[in-house]
Amino acid sequence: QQQVKQSPQSLIVQKGGISIINCAYENTAFDYFPWYQQFPGKGPALLIAIRPDVSEKKEGRFTISFNKSAKQFSLHIMDSQPGDSATYFCAASKTSGGATNKLIFGTGTLLAVQP
Amino acid sequence: DAGVTQSPTHLIKTRGQQVTLRCSPKSGHDTVSWYQQALGQGPQFIFQYYEEEERQRGNFPDRFSGHQFPNYSSELNVNALLLGDSALYLCASSLVGRTDSSQYFGAGTRLSVL
Repeated sequence: QQQVKQSPQSLIVQKGGISIINCAYENTAFDYFPWYQQFPGKGPALLIAIRPDVSEKKEGRFTISFNKSAKQFSLHIMDSQPGDSATYFCAASKTSGGATNKLIFGTGTLLAVQP
Repeated sequence: DAGVTQSPTHLIKTRGQQVTLRCSPKSGHDTVSWYQQALGQGPQFIFQYYEEEERQRGNFPDRFSGHQFPNYSSELNVNALLLGDSALYLCASSLVGRTDSSQYFGAGTRLSVL
């Protein structure tokens, strides 16, 4: 019940295309869903996060779509650029007392954007 | 505004040794979480410290211990190192009781156990 399943494992997209990464969770107590971007040799960087009270959140070229009934959420990267080439992780957490508890991470998606 | 800083960047140890990793949280943050990231995997939660106490713990043995200081910085200690402890150790900081309780990560410490 603590798992977060992420797909695909790897993704190749042409420059200017849309990259889509999907995640599914089981624990309905999760109420915080962030996406992180990680470059080789670096720590994960927070991209965008969503809570279950909204179905979509957009920040620049990055959009999270959230389907509470299906227990799924996805990251869309519009107008993908070579600089977006990195590993992307979804995560889930249950907040309590105003704090984010442990993050449960997906297995990651290696995105390559071809010029 | 300084982000999360970790030291050292890289570390090489031999089996059976002990290691201490250090983390300074993002300015204004009061909570520190530690994660282990094996090569090609997602980070795995080790434990979280708030108000100098362990608030939550993941499925890691007692060989993994930690501490948080009054200035909110934190240490991760690993005793009796095993080859399988080789990984990137990540520290993340956050702030309790705010609208944004997101966790922000440092660059990590790469530990190699030989």
